[in-house]
Amino acid sequence: GAVVSQHPSWVICKSGTSVKIECRSLDFQATTMFWYRQFPKQSLMLMATSNEGSKATYEQGVEKDKFLINHASLTLSTLTVTSAHPEDSSFYICSAPPGQGASGTEAFFGQGTRLTVV
Amino acid sequence: AQSVAQPEDQVNVAEGNPLTVKCTYSVSGNPYLFWYVQYPNRGLQFLLKYITGDNLVKGSYGFEAEFNKSQTSFHLKKPSALVSDSALYFCAVREGSSASKIIFGSGTRLSIRP
Repeated sequence: GAVVSQHPSWVICKSGTSVKIECRSLDFQATTMFWYRQFPKQSLMLMATSNEGSKATYEQGVEKDKFLINHASLTLSTLTVTSAHPEDSSFYICSAPPGQGASGTEAFFGQGTRLTVV
Repeated sequence: AQSVAQPEDQVNVAEGNPLTVKCTYSVSGNPYLFWYVQYPNRGLQFLLKYITGDNLVKGSYGFEAEFNKSQTSFHLKKPSALVSDSALYFCAVREGSSASKIIFGSGTRLSIRP
């Protein structure tokens, strides 16, 4: 399969500060990464698609200036939550879409990041 | 538009009993169907998939799923549940090989009591 490593696993930050979450592809080159947000006891909500070397594609309703996504290399995509507020507290997960890595059919996920804004 | 439904928020089963987690889907083309499992504060782990071929697919940890085209279902099953199977399970669909996005169901929390 394709190994996706996400860091940090959890982070607590003060309201108003920014937090960066990293997602790395360890054994394949990722031209695209998906970023999801998951609220407690709910499903995954696709936030945006990062594209290596170009602008990210955001889903409707997702604030581009709040959630900055950068895909600077074929092995690293980052999500920065800017000026975080308590309502941004959530579980964020990155995913390598199908077609990358060893498999052409299923997606592979990072471990997730639990963000708590206090 | 493609969609996935998991009608049960929670399924409770005694250890050693068979379990079923239900999933129905809607796509316009040939579906690629998946089951993922999520443990607390962890990402999703791939369990199994149906792309084509035999309707009964086997996956990790003794799980299997049956693709039923007429009922547009892809229920997850296991003959004998373990306490360690307790987790959150997601059914997902991708609309054939041309689509990269995967749509997830709402998730079903499986609780296995000793």
